[in-house]
Amino acid sequence: DSGVTQTPKHLITATGQRVTLRCSPRSGDLSVYWYQQSLDQGLQFLIHYYNGEERAKGNILERFSAQQFPDLHSELNLSSLELGDSALYFCASSVGTGLYSNQPQHFGDGTRLSIL
Amino acid sequence: TQLLKQSPQFLSIQEGENLTVYCNSSSVFSSLQWYRQEPGEGPVLLVTVVTGGEVKKLKRLTFQFGDARKDSSLHITAAQTGDTGLYLCAGGTAGNNRKLIWGLGTSLAVNP
Repeated sequence: DSGVTQTPKHLITATGQRVTLRCSPRSGDLSVYWYQQSLDQGLQFLIHYYNGEERAKGNILERFSAQQFPDLHSELNLSSLELGDSALYFCASSVGTGLYSNQPQHFGDGTRLSIL
Repeated sequence: TQLLKQSPQFLSIQEGENLTVYCNSSSVFSSLQWYRQEPGEGPVLLVTVVTGGEVKKLKRLTFQFGDARKDSSLHITAAQTGDTGLYLCAGGTAGNNRKLIWGLGTSLAVNP
């Protein structure tokens, strides 16, 4: 058990819809990272938050947004969903900012999103 | 663009065999992390190597960071069915605003 909790585990929805994925980081971790994993693209970094502030952006689409709340949990919002958004979405957390060292990341078990 | 290439992409072996998987790049990394991911779960960190030429052992797993810090290998001795999974390497960039660059992984199946 990594200590990172993601909900829901599975989500099935239709094209054009909007969903919210939730992540609670490991106790004491201030950084939250979001990733998308698909068979052909592998693990793609989306965005990183540290203590409520956005730190880095990766390959995140404009239709996607995220935020980290004062209690450090984070939400990833996906809107105008397309078939190609079907994937596993992982949240990971680490202790520090990750800006000055590459700290190990602790992953949740992911949310499997299926777009019909 | 920094890329990490992992090879082979797929590997299927019998229990008891030895194997090596590779993680290669043309870029220099400040550190290299190896993770294992099992179906239905998130990746789990196995090891971090930070010094060129560094070798770390974790039971039957031996990790090596290349002298130039551009590549890494993972060697498994006497593989067991419990070693089955997706092995991912992630290179840490240097300088400010560091991030991890991920490989696509090697999918290992160890058959009884």
